[in-house]
Amino acid sequence: DQQVKQNSPSLSVQEGRISILNCDYTNSMFDYFLWYKKYPAEGPTFLISISSIKDKNEDGRFTVFLNKSAKHLSLHIVPSQPGDSAVYFCAASEYGQNFVFGPGTRLSVLP
Amino acid sequence: GEEVAQTPKHLVRGEGQKAKLYCAPIKGHSYVFWYQQVLKNEFKFLISFQNENVFDETGMPKERFSAKCLPNSPCSLEIQATKLEDSAVYFCASSQSSGRNNQPQHFGDGTRLSIL
Repeated sequence: DQQVKQNSPSLSVQEGRISILNCDYTNSMFDYFLWYKKYPAEGPTFLISISSIKDKNEDGRFTVFLNKSAKHLSLHIVPSQPGDSAVYFCAASEYGQNFVFGPGTRLSVLP
Repeated sequence: GEEVAQTPKHLVRGEGQKAKLYCAPIKGHSYVFWYQQVLKNEFKFLISFQNENVFDETGMPKERFSAKCLPNSPCSLEIQATKLEDSAVYFCASSQSSGRNNQPQHFGDGTRLSIL
């Protein structure tokens, strides 16, 4: 049973608009969450993280929102750029150990 | 170095042969993690090290898989008597710390293992 789910395998967004990527988890003990971006033939690149003591973390165009009661987090990218086209992975961990990754969402930003 | 370096990029082995993958973590990072990604699906955690000590091996298959992180050497992941199902991309990641002092993991570009 998947502990971290990303129910949208793919998402297409127009350049300049907002991209919203969603992630749900089942383990209430998870307390640290990360988003990674992955291009083909490369390793995942760390984007942004959030600890369970917060409900929002912002870094430039990237904002992560955490809703602990719903066990849901989302990544907002605004404005979206063609270079943002990649696969985005959500990851969660308990005590910063044993990161569990979701299956990924492929984002396509259309010019 | 400033990046996690994994070698080789691609490794081809016949079924039953041994495969050995290497990972040099970012300088100053104490933790090393190995993941297996099959068919572009989710990353499966295999094992982690704190310096040269096994930190968590709950994801390691009980047979054929072993890993080491020795001082002054790249970490390694070895698969004995490879099977077709071992074909995957193996990613290594490193971080400065683990536990409550949360730090993100930084990944290498992976080694693609193809078992024929």
